[in-house]
Amino acid sequence: ETGVTQTPRHLVMGMTNKKSLKCEQHLGHNAMYWYKQSAKKPLELMFVYNFKEQTENNSVPSRFSPECPNSSHLFLHLHTLQPEDSALYLCASRDEAIGSNYGYTFGSGTRLTVV
Amino acid sequence: AQKVTQAQTEISVVEKEDVTLDCVYETRDTTYYLFWYKQPPSGELVFLIRRNSFDEQNEISGRYSWNFQKSTSSFNFTITASQVVDSAVYFCALGPSGGSYIPTFGRGTSLIVHP
Repeated sequence: ETGVTQTPRHLVMGMTNKKSLKCEQHLGHNAMYWYKQSAKKPLELMFVYNFKEQTENNSVPSRFSPECPNSSHLFLHLHTLQPEDSALYLCASRDEAIGSNYGYTFGSGTRLTVV
Repeated sequence: AQKVTQAQTEISVVEKEDVTLDCVYETRDTTYYLFWYKQPPSGELVFLIRRNSFDEQNEISGRYSWNFQKSTSSFNFTITASQVVDSAVYFCALGPSGGSYIPTFGRGTSLIVHP
């Protein structure tokens, strides 16, 4: 266990479904991230939250909707997805305080398949 | 613009062989951080090391060693006496100095260690 927990580990959903991915960290980190990892493509940053405020949205389609209710929890709400959205969705957290090692702590990811 | 190149897509070795994973980067920043992460089959990326650009001392941690050469913009990673458990995808990443940066990841090198 890395300290960042993602649920579910696997998810199969139809294109008309609505589902949510959950990420939780109790490391005291102040920044949380959603990344998408597709086969044969680089890691894609989707969203960044610092102290619960969204600071970055990398042109992500509106069918992906993040939510950060507090500094320990991050959600990714999914609706009307497309088959090309099938990927591993990784959550990460980091302590952005000066003196930290600035490395990410990643969760194990949610393997999403859209059918 | 920042760029990280991991030219080796996949490396296959036999247990106990030494293996070096290459990482070449491009940046206009004068100070920056370099990272290596390991992604085992379980999915999560595991932070291995952070290197400051002003510290060119090589680092060794057990069977792992890192060679930072600022003159060639490279930050190579060597595993000595590889083991089957080293099989994973390894990512090199580059980020500007300061807490709120977003790192640029390479595409990763898949290392397969055969028994």
